[in-house]
Amino acid sequence: EDKVVQSPLSLVVHEGDTVTLNCSYEVTNFRSLLWYKQEKKAPTFLFMLTSSGIEKKSGRLSSILDKKELSSILNITATQTGDSAIYLCAVGETSYDKVIFGPGTSLSVIP
Amino acid sequence: NAGVTQTPKFQVLKTGQSMTLQCAQDMNHEYMSWYRQDPGMGLRLIHYSVGAGITDQGEVPNGYNVSRSTTEDFPLRLLSAAPSQTSVYFCASFGTAPPRSTGELFFGEGSRLTVL
Repeated sequence: EDKVVQSPLSLVVHEGDTVTLNCSYEVTNFRSLLWYKQEKKAPTFLFMLTSSGIEKKSGRLSSILDKKELSSILNITATQTGDSAIYLCAVGETSYDKVIFGPGTSLSVIP
Repeated sequence: NAGVTQTPKFQVLKTGQSMTLQCAQDMNHEYMSWYRQDPGMGLRLIHYSVGAGITDQGEVPNGYNVSRSTTEDFPLRLLSAAPSQTSVYFCASFGTAPPRSTGELFFGEGSRLTVL
């Protein structure tokens, strides 16, 4: 059965801290790994990763995929209160038939 | 651009009632899906479709029906609502035709359903 696991499930940090969120997966035909940020409403897209070892960056956020370890990390440096959200990891199958999400990591950044 | 449109945004039902959540997208996306989100559970896939006339079950399909008669529309039907179906529901779509998609699932704004 396809599965996506995230850790930690919740995290509280102070502004300025650096955080690392983890995602691991077990899927039959891996195609891509996706990271989303969810605040009050629908998830918003952050990154799509398909190749191992290639880091994707957007401002203070970065992510990398390790296909050998079936995992990915999402790093956020110099955290701000606006980074408080649920961060969702999802895995797409080869034919895009299914996109499965993990349980999410709830991040709280306190001043 | 409308993107993915879901209706209604809020709905309260009594146990045993039926209803349909509507989802429409105007991006000519082949893939459409329905997720439900409960606290601490992330998004769980209910049903999905890879094109008109083709649907398949996701992780939690029981109690829900779908159909895909057109590329644009993918309604989710609850035939006999139960309190366990109280949740926030998201419709999402994804295109694979050129120009190649970034891989982004486009989400509707969500529908909050309460079953009493």
